[in-house]
Amino acid sequence: GIQVEQSPPDLILQEGANSTLRCNFSDSVNNLQWFHQNPWGQLINLFYIPSGTKQNGRLSATTVATERYSLLYISSSQTTDSGVYFCAIISSGSARQLTFGSGTQLTVLP
Amino acid sequence: EPEVTQTPSHQVTQMGQEVILRCVPISNHLYFYWYRQILGQKVEFLVSFYNNEISEKSEIFDDQFSVERPDGSNFTLKIRSTKLEDSAMYFCASSGGGRGIQYFGAGTRLSVL
Repeated sequence: GIQVEQSPPDLILQEGANSTLRCNFSDSVNNLQWFHQNPWGQLINLFYIPSGTKQNGRLSATTVATERYSLLYISSSQTTDSGVYFCAIISSGSARQLTFGSGTQLTVLP
Repeated sequence: EPEVTQTPSHQVTQMGQEVILRCVPISNHLYFYWYRQILGQKVEFLVSFYNNEISEKSEIFDDQFSVERPDGSNFTLKIRSTKLEDSAMYFCASSGGGRGIQYFGAGTRLSVL
């Protein structure tokens, strides 16, 4: 099956710093989503981005489908950005379920 | 913004008991999913449901599990005889298209004692 790898596994930042999270995948994709899992366990949709670039406030994401990676940028990080960030994809085969990466645990210190 | 609703938020049960986790997907969506996340691990797919039948299921989704859409709004996951290793967060998701964006509920945390 398709492989989804995220890096780094852990990231600690000071408030105000910028960061880049990476998601590599092993096959062509129909769907790529970025999620933020907050301390209560909820999965918050950040981006639906199978290709191209999107921005939402301090967050932006870029997917280069031909090179099989996606990047999530967080600028001017805040303590509320802490949590786990997951990349999840649906490959271009017949399957319709999301395959999740192992996540990046982000901690933003005040 | 429409949302996927899951109940209960936390369920505690004894090993061997049956549990039913409930979900109300977004009203005009056609595809429904259950995923689970064991504490500290990544989210794993369990089952997808379309047109009143299972369309895909993972190896995790064995005979102990079943899904049902009993009416036009609810989507349920039943675990017949819970095991300790079933303790996890269970997420329901729905989408309007087969490969479109999936919207997740807040999850049900299942604790099997």
